[in-house]
Amino acid sequence: GAGVSQSPSNKVTEKGKDVELRCDPISGHTALYWYRQSLGQGLEFLIYFQGNSAPDKSGLPSDRFSAERTGGSVSTLTIQRTQQEDSAVYLCASSYRDNHGYTFGSGTRLTVV
Amino acid sequence: GDSVTQMEGPVTLSEEAFLTINCTYTATGYPSLFWYVQYPGEGLQLLLKATKADDKGSNKGFEATYRKETTSFHLEKGSVQVSDSAVYFCALSDRSGGSNYKLTFGKGTLLTVNP
Repeated sequence: GAGVSQSPSNKVTEKGKDVELRCDPISGHTALYWYRQSLGQGLEFLIYFQGNSAPDKSGLPSDRFSAERTGGSVSTLTIQRTQQEDSAVYLCASSYRDNHGYTFGSGTRLTVV
Repeated sequence: GDSVTQMEGPVTLSEEAFLTINCTYTATGYPSLFWYVQYPGEGLQLLLKATKADDKGSNKGFEATYRKETTSFHLEKGSVQVSDSAVYFCALSDRSGGSNYKLTFGKGTLLTVNP
């Protein structure tokens, strides 16, 4: 596609529920990244995919967070048993090669109530 | 570890004023440096970048020079417009240790330009 597409753009969920956030990167971009943007913490790296594998998951805050990527394309970030501190904007980005300038999506604003 | 420190906002300017947003960094290796911009309701966009010392990145009238001796990458624009109102993020990627894919961001600086 022309840009990085994320869905949903907004998600309100009850504490304890599971959520799935979707990212559709630019066609042909082999690298995909998830970041989290919150008021207190700024922008935090979560996970990096090269193709379908994730060589760096070091930023995932807990084992409630997981992500996968299939077909070298779409990625899903799953948060299980959501907590209020998970409320943030989750940003996905892709690049043709490692860090030749990411293209970010518009993000998913997650609110846990 | 790597870190980026940028001036705290908010910054409020009148149209046609000169803009400087300071950014300094700490890195274990030899980083690439970036400025990203986030307009209201949108994702981050790459504004400019520099990959080695003394390089100057430029785009849309914005400039930043990679200063290794002062570990700085200050963003400047000679004459801001209302449409430049946004949040600006300084970032680095450290090419040592094989983690050049990862961006470390500053906290962001909110710029508001008034007519």
